[in-house]
Amino acid sequence: DIQMTQSPSSLSAFVGDRVTITCQATQDINHYLNWYQQRPGKAPKVLIHDASNLERGVPSRFSGSGSGTDFTFTISNVQPEDIATYYCQQHDSLPLTFGGGTKVQIK
Amino acid sequence: QVQLVDSGGGVVQPGRSLRLSCTASGFTFSYFGMHWVRQAPGKGLEWVAVISNDGNKKYYADSVKGRFTISRDNSKNTLSLQMNSLRAEDTAVYYCAKIVGQWELRGSFDFWGQGTLVTVSS
Repeated sequence: DIQMTQSPSSLSAFVGDRVTITCQATQDINHYLNWYQQRPGKAPKVLIHDASNLERGVPSRFSGSGSGTDFTFTISNVQPEDIATYYCQQHDSLPLTFGGGTKVQIK
Repeated sequence: QVQLVDSGGGVVQPGRSLRLSCTASGFTFSYFGMHWVRQAPGKGLEWVAVISNDGNKKYYADSVKGRFTISRDNSKNTLSLQMNSLRAEDTAVYYCAKIVGQWELRGSFDFWGQGTLVTVSS
């Protein structure tokens, strides 16, 4: 099984800051990496698919990059509504696996 | 619009069974692979199982293999998860989720149910 290591597990930022989350796979997953946002009490929502493709309707302050085993998710100019937990997920092979999540808070 | 409605959760004793359902609307259900994903209280997301669009292929997480069975009824636009021999560690919110690509088993989840809580406790 492919393990996904996500860091940090939590972070706190000021409104307007740039926030970066990393996700590392235990083997090459090409670009088969998605990023989700989960607000408290809600189902996850996909923000980025296949490492760097922004979902329709998602603000452009969200971005993703990487391939192979190392990936990065960035929120530029973080906003109060970005308070949530973010997860990476690989879909290179079954079982699909998620990173442990990063809780983003606002200072 | 696409809608997935999860149901069937509740409180159940260890060793007992429970059946979850997910009712789909707003898309051609028979074209898409469907998944169950769960989330234990205060924890992260865990993939549980997938079924192909035609129901012929099924795959499970090791943690539920042999105890859970995923199925679907394309005539009723319904996905199910039969959970047997439940354990305390199966306590979680269970979500059904739709894969974005037609005929695919893997990909991103573009729509999710609202989740249904399963609590395994004596």
